[in-house]
Amino acid sequence: NAGVMQNPRHLVRRRGQEARLRCSPMKGHSHVYWYRQLPEEGLKFMVYLQKENIIDESGMPKERFSAEFPKEGPSILRIQQVVRGDSAAYFCASSPTANTGELFFGEGSRLTVL
Amino acid sequence: SQQGEEDPQALSIQEGENATMNCSYKTSINNLQWYRQNSGRGLVHLILIRSNEREKHSGRLRVTLDTSKKSSSLLITASRAADTASYFCATDNNNDMRFGAGTRLTVKP
Repeated sequence: NAGVMQNPRHLVRRRGQEARLRCSPMKGHSHVYWYRQLPEEGLKFMVYLQKENIIDESGMPKERFSAEFPKEGPSILRIQQVVRGDSAAYFCASSPTANTGELFFGEGSRLTVL
Repeated sequence: SQQGEEDPQALSIQEGENATMNCSYKTSINNLQWYRQNSGRGLVHLILIRSNEREKHSGRLRVTLDTSKKSSSLLITASRAADTASYFCATDNNNDMRFGAGTRLTVKP
């Protein structure tokens, strides 16, 4: 049973370009969470999704950021018109239930904006 | 929003010593979890303690929870160099978990 898979692991973008980060949850998990981590800091919650639904996006910037978790395929975190401040590690986690038990994390996608 | 805060921010000890990390939070919780993160890697779940539990053990790990003080501690006994990592507490916030800034533990061989 493969773990949470994130790709790409590393992504370099120039200012103004778009970044798409993908997350395939563990098999049987229908709950996906995205977090952002700056160097030497903790994880900041961005968005919580279930299949085809955004449950809580209170941690996501209102502009340029969007997330989806379609019926088929991975969850995608999309950042439009990236700026240098978007440079960070973005982690995806999944869980089988919604009762905030153990989260299973991917290895992260590291975005660098030049 | 609810979020745990770890203390100390950094801790350096010798192999064989015990390491204690603390976590404080602000509002009521259903459970509190501790995670570990090696440099450049994802987080790995260590232990979950529910709000009606006071202490829990897992191998060399011991977690306590004091809901009256809104605090938790993680004790790693007989530390090893391989325990070097960042440790985060996470508290439930409605449907998701919120993390603190972490304690960076260095265990010197």
